[in-house]
Amino acid sequence: EDQVTQSPEALRLQEGESSSLNCSYTVSGLRGLFWYRQDPGKGPEFLFTLYSAGEEKEKERLKATLTKKESFLHITAPKPEDSATYLCAVQVYGGSQGNLIFGKGTKLSVKP
Amino acid sequence: EAQVTQNPRYLITVTGKKLTVTCSQNMNHEYMSWYRQDPGLGLRQIYYSMNVEVTDKGDVPEGYKVSRKEKRNFPLILESPSPNQTSLYFCASSLRGRPLQETQYFGPGTRLLVL
Repeated sequence: EDQVTQSPEALRLQEGESSSLNCSYTVSGLRGLFWYRQDPGKGPEFLFTLYSAGEEKEKERLKATLTKKESFLHITAPKPEDSATYLCAVQVYGGSQGNLIFGKGTKLSVKP
Repeated sequence: EAQVTQNPRYLITVTGKKLTVTCSQNMNHEYMSWYRQDPGLGLRQIYYSMNVEVTDKGDVPEGYKVSRKEKRNFPLILESPSPNQTSLYFCASSLRGRPLQETQYFGPGTRLLVL
């Protein structure tokens, strides 16, 4: 069964304290891995798509990387406005078309 | 502005009273999908549509219906809602669902409470 596991469930950081969020996956065949940000009461907001091991993408203070078994979302010098739940999702070959399999998310809190 | 819209945003209803949650996108996307989000379970796909008049079941389709008569609209229908359908619902769309992975854009969500 295809699975996505995110860790930690929650992460508290001080402003400026860099860290990483982990997304490990066990899937039959990876089409793509997606990172989303979700603020309370809102829909997931797209951040990155990664397609193959070794790929990296950056956006402001965020950098996403991908290996054959996991992805990391690195947050450099976070600010309070980075506080949100970060969701990882995968699309797999052979699954229902377009279906995203989501992890349960990491809730990030950044204190000033 | 490119967006996915959902209505209503909040809904309280009673068991057995039919309801429809609308979803519309203005990006000319072929692919649309419905998810539900529950604490401890994450987001799970209910139904999806590859294009007009083409729909199929996701992981948790029981108790739901959908239709896709127009490209921009993809309503979710609960013909006889039950309390276990109390959840936060999201509509999403992407340019295509295949052959390659496409970024899905999500609506703002509809919070449903079934008493």
